[in-house]
Amino acid sequence: NAGVTQTPKFQVLKTGQSMTLQCAQDMNHEYMSWYRQDPGMGLRLIHYSVGAGITDQGEVPNGYNVSRSTTEDFPLRLLSAAPSQTSVYFCASSYSGAATGNTIYFGEGSWLTVV
Amino acid sequence: AQSVAQPEDQVNVAEGNPLTVKCTYSVSGNPYLFWYVQYPNRGLQFLLKYITGDNLVKGSYGFEAEFNKSQTSFHLKKPSALVSDSALYFCAVLNNDMRFGAGTRLTVKP
Repeated sequence: NAGVTQTPKFQVLKTGQSMTLQCAQDMNHEYMSWYRQDPGMGLRLIHYSVGAGITDQGEVPNGYNVSRSTTEDFPLRLLSAAPSQTSVYFCASSYSGAATGNTIYFGEGSWLTVV
Repeated sequence: AQSVAQPEDQVNVAEGNPLTVKCTYSVSGNPYLFWYVQYPNRGLQFLLKYITGDNLVKGSYGFEAEFNKSQTSFHLKKPSALVSDSALYFCAVLNNDMRFGAGTRLTVKP
């Protein structure tokens, strides 16, 4: 039972570098999303997708890009890393559109430090 | 836009005592409300959700939550706390996307 798989689990970047956080789910979920978790701020939505080929911005999209070429994969790209992007990133997925109230399942997180 | 607030950063209870973790929400239309728990260095795990129906929702590990529309609240409760319940708890409201509260750290002391 793989569920939602995120890689890498830990990453250190230098300011200005780019990288991609990978997310894959094997549950045939239509809805996928990326959150960042910062102390005292809960989880904030970065980008989300309601299906292959469809993406939209969340609360804090600046500095991040996403694409959804397949149902299974939803990578998050940091274009030019900044120290403010030091955070824990969570990928999540749900069987169908979030508005139906279906439970969202989370990956184990990716700890990113930008120095 | 929807939002959710957790007014307490920290809740401390003694093992065996009842616990309450508070959550209030703001959303247009009917709310979909969730509670998740996070253990150290792990992702979030689903506890329970309210979509419609009975105001008292029962979930995993003996937790329950009461939906109160007039007070726009969805407090998480458990009749008898365990030390193993110590974790970070998040309330969330769902509309087109999921919005989370800042989290409440629950500590249950032996």
